[in-house]
Amino acid sequence: EDQVTQSPEALRLQEGESSSLNCSYTVSGLRGLFWYRQDPGKGPEFLFTLYSAGEEKEKERLKATLTKKESFLHITAPKPEDSATYLCAVQARGNNRLAFGKGNQVVVIP
Amino acid sequence: DTAVSQTPKYLVTQMGNDKSIKCEQNLGHDTMYWYKQDSKKFLKIMFSYNNKELIINETVPNRFSPKSPDKAHLNLHINSLELGDSAVYFCASSQQPQAGKNEQYFGPGTRLTVT
Repeated sequence: EDQVTQSPEALRLQEGESSSLNCSYTVSGLRGLFWYRQDPGKGPEFLFTLYSAGEEKEKERLKATLTKKESFLHITAPKPEDSATYLCAVQARGNNRLAFGKGNQVVVIP
Repeated sequence: DTAVSQTPKYLVTQMGNDKSIKCEQNLGHDTMYWYKQDSKKFLKIMFSYNNKELIINETVPNRFSPKSPDKAHLNLHINSLELGDSAVYFCASSQQPQAGKNEQYFGPGTRLTVT
């Protein structure tokens, strides 16, 4: 069964204090790894898809990287508006379902 | 112009009642999904339809019945509601998951509270 473990569960950062979120996964043949952002009371918002080890994607202060066992979401010089829960999900080959982790809750303090 | 919309946003009902949640997407996607997010924020897939055909049916009580009248709509009907059904239900859609285009776009969620 596909498994996704995210750490840390919760993270408090000072504005401007860069940090990384970890997503470890076990999947029988990775088709894609997905990062989402979820704000309170809202649906998850798609951020990135990574397909193979070594791939990197960036969007504003966020950068996602992928190895064969884990993905990192780096937040550079975060601002309070980056406060959210970040969800990681994997899709296995031959399978349409996404298996989600429990999320990293990030709070950025001004 | 909302991409994935759900109604209602909030639903409060008593045990034993039957209720429905509706979802519509205007992205032209072929595949739609229902997810349940529990109180610990864990997001778990329930069902998926591809072009009106059921393709994912997770271990969900048969009190839950999805229906897709066309590929832009996916509804969820729940019979004999129980306290444990209280959660946030999300609808999502994606273009062609089997072709690797599985970026899923989520609706705003329906918060169901069973009393």
